[in-house]
Amino acid sequence: SQTIHQWPATLVQPVGSPLSLECTVEGTSNPNLYWYRQAAGRGLQLLFYSVGIGQISSEVPQNLSASRPQDRQFILSSKKLLLSDSGFYLCAWSPWGQGGYEQYFGPGTRLTVT
Amino acid sequence: AQSVTQLGSHVSVSEGALVLLRCNYSSSVPPYLFWYVQYPNQGLQLLLKYTSAATLVKGINGFEAEFKKSETSFHLTKPSAHMSDAAEYFCAVTLAGGTSYGKLTFGQGTILTVHP
Repeated sequence: SQTIHQWPATLVQPVGSPLSLECTVEGTSNPNLYWYRQAAGRGLQLLFYSVGIGQISSEVPQNLSASRPQDRQFILSSKKLLLSDSGFYLCAWSPWGQGGYEQYFGPGTRLTVT
Repeated sequence: AQSVTQLGSHVSVSEGALVLLRCNYSSSVPPYLFWYVQYPNQGLQLLLKYTSAATLVKGINGFEAEFKKSETSFHLTKPSAHMSDAAEYFCAVTLAGGTSYGKLTFGQGTILTVHP
C-alpha cells in the first residue's frame, strides 16, 4: 500500500529564516505531487504541483519555492520566511496519469513564523 | 474553470441524527467529485469519490453522496451521526483531461459538530 510522510510535524521559525519541508511517498511510482497551505479560516490553497522529476508548476506567486529531486520526494523551501507564511502545510500525491483522480494527503506540518 | 460551494460553514447535529452536508459545483465539463474529512491537526482523508460511474457513491465510515447533474450537487449524507464524525469536511472537484493535472478545487469546508 501507499504511504506519504511529511516532516517535521511542527516547526517554529523566526521571520527571515530559511525553510525546508520534506514530503516522501512510498509504494507508488511517478505520482503527481502537490503542496497546499491551509491558513486559519481560509481553506486549502494549492501552492505547487509536479508531474515529474524536476517539473514544478507554481499556482501562487510568493516567496516559497518547490523542488522534486527524486520521483517520490517533494520539497518546499523558502530563503526568508514572512509572518504570513505561518500555516498548516499539506503534501499530497495522486495517481493522475495512471487512471486515478483522487489525492491522498500526508499528516501535515504546522509552521509558526514568529 | 470549476468551483465548489459548500453551503453552511458549520452544521450541528445530535448523535444518531441524519448528517447532511451540502456541496454544489460549477464545471463546464463533467466533473470528478470528492469528499474529504479532516480531524484537528491532521491531514485530509478521502471519504468517497465520484468518477462518472454510479451516481450514488458509498464511502468509508457509513457516508454516502449522490451526484445530481441537474442540480449540480454532490451532497454528503450519513443516516446516523456518531460522536467520532465531528470534524471538518471538504468537497472538492477536478476535471478529467490532460490539462487538469489532477488539481483539486476545494470548497471552504463545513465543520460538523455532534452533540450527545
